[in-house]
Amino acid sequence: EAGVVQSPRYKIIEKKQPVAFWCNPISGHNTLYWYLQNLGQGPELLIRYENEEAVDDSQLPKDRFSAERLKGVDSTLKIQPAELGDSAVYLCASSLETHNEQFFGPGTRLTVL
Amino acid sequence: SQQGEEDPQALSIQEGENATMNCSYKTSINNLQWYRQNSGRGLVHLILIRSNEREKHSGRLRVTLDTSKKSSSLLITASRAADTASYFCATFNSGGSNYKLTFGKGTLLTVNP
Repeated sequence: EAGVVQSPRYKIIEKKQPVAFWCNPISGHNTLYWYLQNLGQGPELLIRYENEEAVDDSQLPKDRFSAERLKGVDSTLKIQPAELGDSAVYLCASSLETHNEQFFGPGTRLTVL
Repeated sequence: SQQGEEDPQALSIQEGENATMNCSYKTSINNLQWYRQNSGRGLVHLILIRSNEREKHSGRLRVTLDTSKKSSSLLITASRAADTASYFCATFNSGGSNYKLTFGKGTLLTVNP
């Protein structure tokens, strides 16, 4: 069974530039999550999707962050414009149902210069 | 905000020894999950224990949950060098419409060969 796929694995950009991350969840998983992980910290939820609906985006900085999950499968997380403080690892995860174990992708390590 | 707090922050042991990590949390939970993260395999789910369970085993892993003390422990028996990783506890809350998995900062375990 293929796991959660994320791309790119690494991204280096200059501040004020836009950046986008892509995630393909495990087939059949209706719930998709985007997390942000800073060095030495645990992941923090940015947004949760149930199928194509964003049911919890309370932690998403909406002035610069946006996300979409078209057709309830793949998802894209965008930052525009990026700031220095956005440097972190962005993790995508999926689960069969919200209360189940979550399966994480390898993450995208973003460096903003 | 992070609800779970792991203790200790770092742990170094010899191969073959047992490792115990603790997690404390603040609010009531539906379940508590332990995850492992290393550079090779990313963030991986280890075990889930529900709020009405007190102990659970999986291979060399033993997890206990004390809801009266709002604490959990993860025991890894007969540790191996490959167990070197960061271990995170994550609490799942379903208060109102807020279905959310909240991670702690993790315990960095080093198993010396």
